[in-house]
Amino acid sequence: DAKTTQPPSMDCAEGRAANLPCNHSTISGNEYVYWYRQIHSQGPQYIIHGLKNNETNEMASLIITEDRKSSTLILPHATLRDTAVYYCIGPNFGNEKLTFGTGTRLTIIP
Amino acid sequence: DTAVSQTPKYLVTQMGNDKSIKCEQNLGHDTMYWYKQDSKKFLKIMFSYNNKELIINETVPNRFSPKSPDKAHLNLHINSLELGDSAVYFCASSQGTVNSPLHFGNGTRLTVT
Repeated sequence: DAKTTQPPSMDCAEGRAANLPCNHSTISGNEYVYWYRQIHSQGPQYIIHGLKNNETNEMASLIITEDRKSSTLILPHATLRDTAVYYCIGPNFGNEKLTFGTGTRLTIIP
Repeated sequence: DTAVSQTPKYLVTQMGNDKSIKCEQNLGHDTMYWYKQDSKKFLKIMFSYNNKELIINETVPNRFSPKSPDKAHLNLHINSLELGDSAVYFCASSQGTVNSPLHFGNGTRLTVT
């Protein structure tokens, strides 16, 4: 299984870039890194995922280190609505286990 | 045009009762899941179904019985409810491949009194 480690909480000023780190040192070669967020008590929302290359979509950018042991989710211009718990997960599809850790509680400061 | 919908949104019941939570997805996905989020906010997978067949059963008590009448539906039936069953239950779906994200419903908050 790809175990992940994230800081429990972070603050970011509104309008600035929020950089959320994740360590996944045990990730295997064919495992994708996924990022989700959960706003208040809503269902988790998919943000982005990647395997080796950096990825960007309309929500965020994902930077994966060359050794794939860590990654950073970047919200380029954080807004108050980005306040949420952000989960980095590395599913092991061999066992179909999709485990969410404790995530990072990101608070956007006005 | 909600992608993954669960009903009911809230469920309050007494210990010992039997209740069901329904889930439907209109994304054409092959795989559906049930997750439980407890008071400490840990999201734990309970079950996974692919094309109506059970793939994952994560040591969930047999009081919990998922039912998948077709690949667009995965219902969760819970017998003899206990206080510890109080939680938010999330349904999700995906294509079930390594490159497909999960799409979650908005959850059912179950309170057992």
